[in-house]
Amino acid sequence: GESVGLHLPTLSVQEGDNSIINCAYSNSASDYFIWYKQESGKGPQFIIDIRSNMDKRQGQRVTVLLNKTVKHLSLQIAATQPGDSAVYFCAEKKGNNYGQNFVFGPGTRLSVLP
Amino acid sequence: NAGVTQTPKFQVLKTGQSMTLQCAQDMNHNSMYWYRQDPGMGLRLIYYSASEGTTDKGEVPNGYNVSRLNKREFSLRLESAAPSQTSVYFCASRMSQVTAFFGQGTRLTVV
Repeated sequence: GESVGLHLPTLSVQEGDNSIINCAYSNSASDYFIWYKQESGKGPQFIIDIRSNMDKRQGQRVTVLLNKTVKHLSLQIAATQPGDSAVYFCAEKKGNNYGQNFVFGPGTRLSVLP
Repeated sequence: NAGVTQTPKFQVLKTGQSMTLQCAQDMNHNSMYWYRQDPGMGLRLIYYSASEGTTDKGEVPNGYNVSRLNKREFSLRLESAAPSQTSVYFCASRMSQVTAFFGQGTRLTVV
């Protein structure tokens, strides 16, 4: 099985409930943030992004909230489904142009209970 | 459309052995990246290539070298593998403001 994430914070939610995954970022000058989902044995997959000139952005069943005052991001998943079980990472952009790197948080494991 | 393809998927090396991890993307992206992922930690950047012909060090470059062979391919080489390099390695590519796309990963164990 996948060894990544053995010591990660875990959020357990009942199927059908809403999930909220939180992330703190470090650089007050960061202007772009992304949430990734990583299923066991797979690479990270893009979920949703947000720029610093926004407070909220909605996708399909997902919403990202950005609080620049306290440097905090959250990912809200509505009506959580078994397929949402994965490790979720937030990432902040560091640098500019093509050489920009994304600094990733350690991740949160979401477990959906039947 | 395969996206980002990494080979091999699994590898076991003895300490001191060398190997090259291969990565290819078919999305015509300019930038390519190599990350490592360790338990309890986020992805850490090893090296990146902003465009064909250029490479730069990331956060944890020691013990690694890279080659941007052409626009499609970006390889990562371990010249003398060490147990501390046991990790899952991910290649990614991106174009401009588009988010990065990741490969499926290479699980490397150094014994």
